[in-house]
Amino acid sequence: KAGVTQTPRYLIKTRGQQVTLSCSPISGHRSVSWYQQTPGQGLQFLFEYFSETQRNKGNFPGRFSGRQFSNSRSEMNVSTLELGDSALYLCASSETRTGLLGTEAFFGQGTRLTVV
Amino acid sequence: QKEVEQNSGPLSVPEGAIASLNCTYSDRGSQSFFWYRQYSGKSPELIMFIYSNGDKEDGRFTAQLNKASQYVSLLIRDSQPSDSATYLCAVSRSGATNKLIFGTGTLLAVQP
Repeated sequence: KAGVTQTPRYLIKTRGQQVTLSCSPISGHRSVSWYQQTPGQGLQFLFEYFSETQRNKGNFPGRFSGRQFSNSRSEMNVSTLELGDSALYLCASSETRTGLLGTEAFFGQGTRLTVV
Repeated sequence: QKEVEQNSGPLSVPEGAIASLNCTYSDRGSQSFFWYRQYSGKSPELIMFIYSNGDKEDGRFTAQLNKASQYVSLLIRDSQPSDSATYLCAVSRSGATNKLIFGTGTLLAVQP
């Protein structure tokens, strides 16, 4: 089975621009979550999509948005980029959750975004 | 108080020793617990998950969970230099979400 695929791997953008990152989950996984990882804050949850619906959102400004398509692929968008948005953006793929227990999340290789 | 706390380390152990990594969490509603390993410049890799109190073993790895004390630990037996990485503890609440709350990670250094 192919793993989680994120594109692009690296991006350099200028302040004020916008950026779109893509994530293709593991085949059969319908849940996609996005995380931001920085040296100072660690891994922080951005949002989760399941069956094309956002079902959880972290504490990030509205400049961060996402969507999921019918094939479970997901994109996240950051508008009006700031220097502080420089980070590793990680996508995690999970199977459908059953019962009360969380299911394992598998991460893609990430997109390294640098804002200059 | 952070939701998930880990000692940032570095934790240095000699090759062949047992490495013990600890994590505490504040949300008593947490139901699922995960350990990820992250090499420098790479993405996190899931190595263990545990849902019930007690121990869970997988090869050289043992995860331990104590919900009453709100801590989860990871033991690595026969530590190898290739185990040198940052170990991230993550927790998830019950309910219809796969949202993970991560600790800041413990850097493990295994000395040959």
